[in-house]
Amino acid sequence: GESVGLHLPTLSVQEGDNSIINCAYSNSASDYFIWYKQESGKGPQFIIDIRSNMDKRQGQRVTVLLNKTVKHLSLQIAATQPGDSAVYFCAENFYGGSQGNLIFGKGTKLSVKP
Amino acid sequence: DVKVTQSSRYLVKRTGEKVFLECVQDMDHENMFWYRQDPGLGLRLIYFSYDVKMKEKGDIPEGYSVSREKKERFSLILESASTNQTSMYLCATLTEFSGNTIYFGEGSWLTVV
Repeated sequence: GESVGLHLPTLSVQEGDNSIINCAYSNSASDYFIWYKQESGKGPQFIIDIRSNMDKRQGQRVTVLLNKTVKHLSLQIAATQPGDSAVYFCAENFYGGSQGNLIFGKGTKLSVKP
Repeated sequence: DVKVTQSSRYLVKRTGEKVFLECVQDMDHENMFWYRQDPGLGLRLIYFSYDVKMKEKGDIPEGYSVSREKKERFSLILESASTNQTSMYLCATLTEFSGNTIYFGEGSWLTVV
């Protein structure tokens, strides 16, 4: 099958560097946000989430930052590794939306150079 | 861990054939979804189901139908496959524990020739 990574913005980083992937969301009423990682030929994998009452949340090597003022979400990956190469996309959901229906971003392709 | 299993990873079907894509989840979740994913278009919701025998149209239901006879199983049906339905199909399930986090299966690559 054709790669879902085609036609996407690409971020290329050196192994060991930090990566920052950005996402602009569309609905100011959105109150829950998720980052997914999708490796080639696989389904999206949940990485980290954040609610609108927070502006920062940390996981293992990943941090999500939320700026509601400008409707911006970012994913920071510390000490990027070759295994981090994938397409990353954000999702937003707002209370009262279709049950479980998230709005997904198109994604950014992260390429890690050894 | 949430497990969403799509039984067929790769399929090649002929135009006009009836196609079944099966999805099974093991977490007793009420909500299940079918998306298709195409380059440049991202994820688009086809149908979702919030209970057995219940279904709701998503953004692109035309040419598709679904079946939810048991809670753990959600099937996507292409009554008469067409070449423009060549795509990656993703099943997903919704957990209640951490807000509206959707967990995905590994995907089914369908090619219609």
